[in-house]
Amino acid sequence: GESVGLHLPTLSVQEGDNSIINCAYSNSASDYFIWYKQESGKGPQFIIDIRSNMDKRQGQRVTVLLNKTVKHLSLQIAATQPGDSAVYFCAERSWENQGGKLIFGQGTELSVKP
Amino acid sequence: GAVVSQHPSRVICKSGTSVKIECRSLDFQATTMFWYRQFPKQSLMLMATSNEGSKATYEQGVEKDKFLINHASLTLSTLTVTSAHPEDSSFYICSARAESADTQYFGPGTRLTVL
Repeated sequence: GESVGLHLPTLSVQEGDNSIINCAYSNSASDYFIWYKQESGKGPQFIIDIRSNMDKRQGQRVTVLLNKTVKHLSLQIAATQPGDSAVYFCAERSWENQGGKLIFGQGTELSVKP
Repeated sequence: GAVVSQHPSRVICKSGTSVKIECRSLDFQATTMFWYRQFPKQSLMLMATSNEGSKATYEQGVEKDKFLINHASLTLSTLTVTSAHPEDSSFYICSARAESADTQYFGPGTRLTVL
């Protein structure tokens, strides 16, 4: 079935520090990965994505790293700000799934201390 | 670009009534829309996938007669929760994806409370 978190891991960082949020995936057939940010009471907001033929992609203050060997995905946020406080979800898509549905991770709650 | 809206943002209804939630892609044509449900402190659970003009594909365990999905146009999908009960209270979120695109863009969600 789809991923449903039983608990929400948390990460607490100091404002200005860099944050690293990790995600493990299980399907070696996954070809596309995406990170979303969800603030309380809101829908997920697209942050950055990466295809399986890449191992790194950079955006504004964010970098996604993909390690297919160990099926690991990470999101790095530079100079973390209070506005970055939210729950972050990774999601994967398998090429076997013609519907293009995403499988979501359990999420990580990022708390930024001023 | 890639804005998705949902209406209503919040709804409170009595047990036994039906509630319709609308999902609209405002600046692109969404050939595929997805409906998710989310409980507090949990991840998103996919309920169904709908393609414009076709019947929705429901995930295992989701009752299609309970959660009616219509995707009649390239910019609108609706989810109707029929004969709602308190256990249907949840945060419902839709997402939309353009043809041949990878990325799903999410709506702001609808908080449903069934009394």
